[in-house]
Amino acid sequence: EPEVTQTPSHQVTQMGQEVILRCVPISNHLYFYWYRQILGQKVEFLVSFYNNEISEKSEIFDDQFSVERPDGSNFTLKIRSTKLEDSAMYFCASMAEINQPQHFGDGTRLSIL
Amino acid sequence: GQQVMQIPQYQHVQEGEDFTTYCNSSTTLSNIQWYKQRPGGHPVFLIQLVKSGEVKKQKRLTFQFGEAKKNSSLHITATQTTDVGTYFCAGQHSGAGSYQLTFGKGTKLSVIP
Repeated sequence: EPEVTQTPSHQVTQMGQEVILRCVPISNHLYFYWYRQILGQKVEFLVSFYNNEISEKSEIFDDQFSVERPDGSNFTLKIRSTKLEDSAMYFCASMAEINQPQHFGDGTRLSIL
Repeated sequence: GQQVMQIPQYQHVQEGEDFTTYCNSSTTLSNIQWYKQRPGGHPVFLIQLVKSGEVKKQKRLTFQFGEAKKNSSLHITATQTTDVGTYFCAGQHSGAGSYQLTFGKGTKLSVIP
């Protein structure tokens, strides 16, 4: 069964550094998402991406965050200047079409020191 | 903003007992999805409910969507130790153009053998 793949599985970074989290969505899917989950808390929506542009973003997704789909397969989340509170599990998800389930990757655990 | 409330936060049951978790949305949902997350894992899609009053079953799991499409429940009959994990409901709200999911806080199920 096709899967969403995310790399790396764990990223440790100094505060203030830039990080790029990578995702390969399922190949025929059209809608792409980033979510985050702070340890022990619920999954929170960050941003959605469709037709090569951001379709919606949450309050969490401020100017330090950006997303790109540089080629036909990768979908990246960049955090420009990381803060301690960015430490969380970041999940990528993709969806084939409207009213279909979203499929999640295994996540990247981001630890900011 | 759109919110999904989920109760209880924790549930400890003896193996063989039943378990139910409930979700309630502040606004009408387009659909609701249920996910299971094991410790250290990612949300794994269980089921999607779309129609008002819909009931779906997966072996010992029964999922319901309310008539008003604002509430949902997951019921597990005769729990087993393999049911351990956190169960999240996630709603797609009507009018949410990007179809992002709003997650409940989850119910963490512990099963005592």
